[in-house]
Amino acid sequence: NAGVTQTPKFRILKIGQSMTLQCTQDMNHNYMYWYRQDPGMGLKLIYYSVGAGITDKGEVPNGYNVSRSTTEDFPLRLELAAPSQTSVYFCASSYEDIQYFGAGTRLSVL
Amino acid sequence: GENVEQHPSTLSVQEGDSAVIKCTYSDSASNYFPWYKQELGKRPQLIIDIRSNVGEKKDQRIAVTLNKTAKHFSLHITETQPEDSAVYFCAAPPSNTGNQFYFGTGTSLTVIP
Repeated sequence: NAGVTQTPKFRILKIGQSMTLQCTQDMNHNYMYWYRQDPGMGLKLIYYSVGAGITDKGEVPNGYNVSRSTTEDFPLRLELAAPSQTSVYFCASSYEDIQYFGAGTRLSVL
Repeated sequence: GENVEQHPSTLSVQEGDSAVIKCTYSDSASNYFPWYKQELGKRPQLIIDIRSNVGEKKDQRIAVTLNKTAKHFSLHITETQPEDSAVYFCAAPPSNTGNQFYFGTGTSLTVIP
């Protein structure tokens, strides 16, 4: 199993641009999550999904959108990127409460 | 929602000494408490967890204790080694939101050889 795979690993965006962070998992987990991690800080939940077709907001959803059309994929969409969205983004899936994280996407908005 | 506080934010210990990190939570119905380790530039990985029906769990040099009355749980690392240097995060799920987790702000542990 590859586990949780995120692409890209790094990205630089200009203010106002849009992009999609990809996340896919091959463990058939129903629960998936998107977190952001700012320097020296913990993980803040952006959006989560309890299964295909179901998504819900976390602590910091503003400026982001998600979709969950399949069990495997949970892309995160940034519209009109802002410098405040500069962060490391982690996707995770979970089974029986244990979270499995992807390697992260480091995003800079300049 | 759940409020998770973690202390200390930084911790330096001599190799071989013990390290203790503490987290408090606000939702008394929370019933699962994991600890994650994040090495520099890497993803967080689960190192130990505890459920509310036990007070302590141990795995070799690491242990977690839970005090449900006081609403806090702690990570204990004994005989620390340089490879224990990392950021450690606690987490707790609110009881009414299914599988969400709220993470603490992390403790940066440095083990000095």
